[in-house]
Amino acid sequence: NAGVTQTPKFRVLKTGQSMTLLCAQDMNHEYMYWYRQDPGMGLRLIHYSVGEGTTAKGEVPDGYNVSRLKKQNFLLGLESAAPSQTSVYFCASSQDRGGNQPQHFGDGTRLSIL
Amino acid sequence: ILNVEQSPQSLHVQEGDSTNFTCSFPSSNFYALHWYRWETAKSPEALFVMTLNGDEKKKGRISATLNTKEGYSYLYIKGSQPEDSATYLCAFTSGTYKYIFGTGTRLKVLA
Repeated sequence: NAGVTQTPKFRVLKTGQSMTLLCAQDMNHEYMYWYRQDPGMGLRLIHYSVGEGTTAKGEVPDGYNVSRLKKQNFLLGLESAAPSQTSVYFCASSQDRGGNQPQHFGDGTRLSIL
Repeated sequence: ILNVEQSPQSLHVQEGDSTNFTCSFPSSNFYALHWYRWETAKSPEALFVMTLNGDEKKKGRISATLNTKEGYSYLYIKGSQPEDSATYLCAFTSGTYKYIFGTGTRLKVLA
């Protein structure tokens, strides 16, 4: 079972460059999430989606955009990368809206902005 | 601002020792608490989803309890093994799609 797949796994960008992180899930989950993980901090929610065609802001949305054109895919975009966006990014999906089911995570994307 | 705290931040135990960690969360607007096991260079993997006050869940040598009135959950590992070495995360939700994660407890089991 593939579960949640993130691409790429690693990327180095220069300040001002743009890129898109892809998250794909094969579990037919409605709910998908993008988090960032920084040293000494818990996973922080960037954006989330409650279904195809819908997205919403999380705790730290500035500098990021997302799209959910297909139910199985959730894309995270950085339009103009900044060093403060150096982080490890995790995508997750879940079957249920409120928390009765666990989240399923991808393996993460390690992103460095120089 | 809602906060989830985990303690200790890290600990080392000898193989065969039993250990436990704490997750503290807001006692108001509780919906669910999740525990995840997170090995280095891998993705967090769900251990337990706990929703009811007084819940106790068990998976092999790992178990967890929940007290929603006072806002804490304990995770216990009985007879720790080196393969238990990982970071253990908890996450609180009030049922609004959003989860608040703790920073985790890093466990190292020494053979």
